[in-house]
Amino acid sequence: GENVEQHPSTLSVQEGDSAVIKCTYSDSASNYFPWYKQELGKRPQLIIDIRSNVGEKKDQRIAVTLNKTAKHFSLHITETQPEDSAVYFCAVDNYGQNFVFGPGTRLSVLP
Amino acid sequence: DAGVTQSPTHLIKTRGQQVTLRCSPISGHKSVSWYQQVLGQGPQFIFQYYEKEERGRGNFPDRFSARQFPNYSSELNVNALLLGDSALYLCASSFSAAGSGQPQHFGDGTRLSIL
Repeated sequence: GENVEQHPSTLSVQEGDSAVIKCTYSDSASNYFPWYKQELGKRPQLIIDIRSNVGEKKDQRIAVTLNKTAKHFSLHITETQPEDSAVYFCAVDNYGQNFVFGPGTRLSVLP
Repeated sequence: DAGVTQSPTHLIKTRGQQVTLRCSPISGHKSVSWYQQVLGQGPQFIFQYYEKEERGRGNFPDRFSARQFPNYSSELNVNALLLGDSALYLCASSFSAAGSGQPQHFGDGTRLSIL
């Protein structure tokens, strides 16, 4: 089955710096790659996603890049703010296996 | 429009009991998926229902079962509860089934504690 790894597991950055989180997956048939943000005690919230026919997608301070050949995709957050502090999960949509989530990255933005 | 709604928000049970969790999807969404999230981990897939039929099952024992109703709402049942079943149970809805490249939107979850 699909195996999703996520690195780093924790990340601390200074406010205003950039943060990058990387996910790798194993099944080349996967075709949809969302990122979720989960604040303490709250629901996972979709923040950006990318489909397999696209290499990069950007939404204001957030971007996602996909390398299908290498089977990895990354979340990029620029100009980080304290409210970006949360746990971020990548997921891979693999037909028949539903969403397989990574183990999460705890991002702390220090003022 | 209302998002995904789940009930109850919190539940305390003892070992051996049975529990039913409920989920109402976003209006127009035909697929409901259930996930278990243990503290400090990512959500783990339990079931997906699409158009009232089971479309996928994760690596969970037969004590876990689910169904989807004609209005696309869903129930998750867990029998013979164990201490290890303590977790946040999340419901997510999407317009289409997995594999179609559709986003899933989550509810606030039901926090289940087993004593």
